[in-house]
Amino acid sequence: KAGVTQTPRYLIKTRGQQVTLSCSPISGHRSVSWYQQTPGQGLQFLFEYFSETQRNKGNFPGRFSGRQFSNSRSEMNVSTLELGDSALYLCASSLDGFSNQPQHFGDGTRLSIL
Amino acid sequence: AQSVTQPDIHITVSEGASLELRCNYSYGATPYLFWYVQSPGQGLQLLLKYFSGDTLVQGIKGFEAEFKRSQSSFNLRKPSVHWSDAAEYFCAVGANTNAGKSTFGDGTTLTVKP
Repeated sequence: KAGVTQTPRYLIKTRGQQVTLSCSPISGHRSVSWYQQTPGQGLQFLFEYFSETQRNKGNFPGRFSGRQFSNSRSEMNVSTLELGDSALYLCASSLDGFSNQPQHFGDGTRLSIL
Repeated sequence: AQSVTQPDIHITVSEGASLELRCNYSYGATPYLFWYVQSPGQGLQLLLKYFSGDTLVQGIKGFEAEFKRSQSSFNLRKPSVHWSDAAEYFCAVGANTNAGKSTFGDGTTLTVKP
């Protein structure tokens, strides 16, 4: 069974640009969550999608948005990039987001803002 | 609100020595608890999970963890550490009523001396 796939693995952008990250969950998993990981703040929850609907959202500005498609694949978009957005962005999938099923993580997208 | 504390930021052990990584949680009900491991440049890999039942759970790579409700702890142990165990370890409380959101500790970095 293929794991969670995130693309691209690395991105370099400049301030003010926007970026889109992609995540393909494990087959059969309908819940997709996004996390931001930085050395100073650790792992912070961005949002979760289930059946194309955002069910939960962390404490991030509106520049961070996402969506989920009917095949459960998810994209995350960050607009008007700031230096502080440099981070490892991790996607995690699970069966339904509530059950006793753990989240399975992809290898992340490393975003660097110049 | 749920929270996870990993008191040790960095631990160094000699290869072949035993290991214990500490984790304390704050949660109103019976928690879903997880330990993940992250190697540099990689995502998080699930080591083990606790939902209910036997308080000593076995995981992959020879790891085990013990749930102690009275101490609100879920410590990770390994009897004999290998050099390949050097990585960062995260304890997490799983999504129970908070859709798709796991709460992570700040992580413990393990260094293994030859």
